[in-house]
Amino acid sequence: GQQLNQSPQSMFIQEGEDVSMNCTSSSIFNTWLWYKQDPGEGPVLLIALYKAGELTSNGRLTAQFGITRKDSFLNISASIPSDVGIYFCAGRGYGGATNKLIFGTGTLLAVQP
Amino acid sequence: DVKVTQSSRYLVKRTGEKVFLECVQDMDHENMFWYRQDPGLGLRLIYFSYDVKMKEKGDIPEGYSVSREKKERFSLILESASTNQTSMYLCASSLSGTGKETQYFGPGTRLLVL
Repeated sequence: GQQLNQSPQSMFIQEGEDVSMNCTSSSIFNTWLWYKQDPGEGPVLLIALYKAGELTSNGRLTAQFGITRKDSFLNISASIPSDVGIYFCAGRGYGGATNKLIFGTGTLLAVQP
Repeated sequence: DVKVTQSSRYLVKRTGEKVFLECVQDMDHENMFWYRQDPGLGLRLIYFSYDVKMKEKGDIPEGYSVSREKKERFSLILESASTNQTSMYLCASSLSGTGKETQYFGPGTRLLVL
């Protein structure tokens, strides 16, 4: 199945640093979602975006729906150790089964105290 | 808050056994999904259901079947488990018809087939 291109694959940073990750697709989407997965747990929804250009924050997290509808990014400011985990983007395109999502391969974030 | 629960967190089965993974959601969602997650491969859709007794194949349905007899419950069945079905299995659910079909996930079932 189709997958999104998510980068970077992994990041190792110091506590307090800002983090940025992004996803790109070859086709346009009408929804972008960002999830975080802690080790051994299911993904938890962080931010949902439904409109091109939309910029949404959730605490220290900010995500944007790209104007081209083919990309999205997630920023984390002032990282803390509990930010550790895998971050996934997911998108929903036009046509086909409207309730199916396409997932990125994930960004592994490690934060050193 | 949406709650999606899965019957087991960890499961160990032998090759050839029939395996049932159960998923229940409490938010009256129409859509339910089963994924498997493997290192380096991300989340891959096995089956999904958009209504009771309705099901559609995802990207990797081979070796699996599903059952949706009640709206809140979606079961994944491995008719004859094989070692290559060792994986993390994730269930998700979403509302339908809102234009904002966000999927909410359960905690996952880690299955080991010996």
